[in-house]
Amino acid sequence: GAGVSQTPSNKVTEKGKYVELRCDPISGHTALYWYRQSLGQGPEFLIYFQGTGAADDSGLPNDRFFAVRPEGSVSTLKIQRTERGDSAVYLCASSPMVGQTNNEQFFGPGTRLTVL
Amino acid sequence: GIQVEQSPPDLILQEGANSTLRCNFSDSVNNLQWFHQNPWGQLINLFYIPSGTKQNGRLSATTVATERYSLLYISSSQTTDSGVYFCAGAISGGYNKLIFGAGTRLAVHP
Repeated sequence: GAGVSQTPSNKVTEKGKYVELRCDPISGHTALYWYRQSLGQGPEFLIYFQGTGAADDSGLPNDRFFAVRPEGSVSTLKIQRTERGDSAVYLCASSPMVGQTNNEQFFGPGTRLTVL
Repeated sequence: GIQVEQSPPDLILQEGANSTLRCNFSDSVNNLQWFHQNPWGQLINLFYIPSGTKQNGRLSATTVATERYSLLYISSSQTTDSGVYFCAGAISGGYNKLIFGAGTRLAVHP
């Protein structure tokens, strides 16, 4: 079956602009995560959705970042007033459900965001 | 939160050599995964291994949960094994959010 997909694969924007990044999880996976990976580092957690609700958004760096998952499937990460420091690869992952025997997460290819 | 330490940070091998990568955790984890990040940035799942030993072809992994570490073994390395290897763990009650190590950068030369 299809894996996690993310669009766009690359996004170049100017400082101060608004961007939206999309994630399509594996069909049937109720748990969805966003991570951010800066150059030379491991991914860092941003936000977790179980179904439609954001159960844990403790990793969002500030209130310019927001994410939604209105129907419990596709999720959109939204960044307002982008700054150069937001430049990174944004990764999405999904897993069947937290609390099940197997909580293995599967990652999408990421969106490389460059803020000029 | 938990700290994840990977060693070595960098590793250079000749094709055909074997290697062991290590991952130490500062606290107990109830989920542990190993990934290979290819040159295009895709994180490829290698093992989901909260405890015990698993093998998949030339790769195998062992997690000793009580001692808070995991090992990834690569045997008969190939140039296609090059890339960055990450381990990541999640603590109980933490919604399974993964905490990643800094990775081991592996280069396999022909």
